[in-house]
Amino acid sequence: KQEVTQIPAALSVPEGENLVLNCSFTDSAIYNLQWFRQDPGKGLTSLLLIQSSQREQTSGRLNASLDKSSGRSTLYIAASQPGDSATYLCFAGTALIFGKGTTLSVSS
Amino acid sequence: SQTIHQWPATLVQPVGSPLSLECTVEGTSNPNLYWYRQAAGRGLQLLFYSVGIGQISSEVPQNLSASRPQDRQFILSSKKLLLSDSGFYLCAWSGVAGATYEQFFGPGTRLTVL
Repeated sequence: KQEVTQIPAALSVPEGENLVLNCSFTDSAIYNLQWFRQDPGKGLTSLLLIQSSQREQTSGRLNASLDKSSGRSTLYIAASQPGDSATYLCFAGTALIFGKGTTLSVSS
Repeated sequence: SQTIHQWPATLVQPVGSPLSLECTVEGTSNPNLYWYRQAAGRGLQLLFYSVGIGQISSEVPQNLSASRPQDRQFILSSKKLLLSDSGFYLCAWSGVAGATYEQFFGPGTRLTVL
């Protein structure tokens, strides 16, 4: 059964720092991997989708990579801002399973 | 463009009362539809998904049920709510075969069972 793990569970950084959020999965037979952002009390906003045939996707200051052989995906956030403070969730599309998220706090 | 609606936004219900949450999608046809629950301190859990009208798959045994009476309408129901049903309920849609299966979420319904 697919398991999705996100480390760390929480992260605090000063504004301007580059950071990496990690997501690991146990079953490499995934169709896609999706990264979401969730603000407190709100729904999920899709950030990036990486299909199984792709290695990475970029949107603005965000870059997500996918390595199926090692069962890992990373979300890179460049030049972090206080507005990036939220919980970030990774999602294994084939199994429809979420990680528990990394809660990011960026201080000004 | 596609949009997804959920209502109500918040709901406070007594234990033992019935429940009906509605989700509708606009701007797409024959979507896959999903219900997820996010309980306090826990991750998002898939409850039901549907690939077509009247086709419902349940992922977790519980006192909840789902129905899809129309192509773009998905309803989550319960006959008698339990305290453990409290949580944040999210509806999502995705494309079908040949698409990317990228999931798009609604704004959610916050349910408190007292």
